[in-house]
Amino acid sequence: QLVQSGAEVRRPGESLRISCKTSGYSFTNYWVGWVRQMPGRGLEWMGIVHPSDSDTRYSPSFRGQVTISADKSITTAYLHWSRVEASDTAIYYCVRRNSAYGWDNWGQGTLLTVSS
Amino acid sequence: QSALTQPPSASGTPGQRVTISCSGSTSNIGSNTVNWYQQLPGTAPKLLIYSNDLIYGSNQRPSGVPGRFSGSKSGTSASLAISGLQSEDEADYYCEAWDDSLNAWLFGGGTRLTVL
Repeated sequence: QLVQSGAEVRRPGESLRISCKTSGYSFTNYWVGWVRQMPGRGLEWMGIVHPSDSDTRYSPSFRGQVTISADKSITTAYLHWSRVEASDTAIYYCVRRNSAYGWDNWGQGTLLTVSS
Repeated sequence: QSALTQPPSASGTPGQRVTISCSGSTSNIGSNTVNWYQQLPGTAPKLLIYSNDLIYGSNQRPSGVPGRFSGSKSGTSASLAISGLQSEDEADYYCEAWDDSLNAWLFGGGTRLTVL
């Protein structure tokens, strides 16, 4: 199970970290990724982290825009912005990557609204 | 614009068979497995079909997914078929594959299925 933190409202330029608390499986055995869905749009893969060693990979479209991390002591993954922009307004999903099955477990999503 | 191309919409009447296409290239569908996801209105996406067959993309369904859903692949294209269409199948459907050139997971732009 992946349970995400609640909806957020931020002003442009503010920082933000959203979380994804996992349970029910061995956290350090699977990659955890983040997927963005802008209003009325499709799914975009942002990046992924392996909690065992915090190995992190980013989509070229999101590299340098966000930071993905994981804390294996509390089986939680994070998505961090140092400065949000209005264009970051979207729903963000954390999702487990199963090497055999694909993205097989999804969080409920976190809505981020950035507005001045 | 996604490197995996899906028709933006599809429709059918109850009981009909509908197919949704996903067109890619040699660097993604042509050399990697394809998975499909269903996103019901207002909910997180859900894994619908996964494939561990590089060549034919033969369908595998997670537990709980009806046998009416099936997937296939030919060359650089993949398809999702839904037989015996039901009203509860009305949703957005996304294909997904790894891209060797971009070093990124790609989602198709999504197809909105309407049950008439």
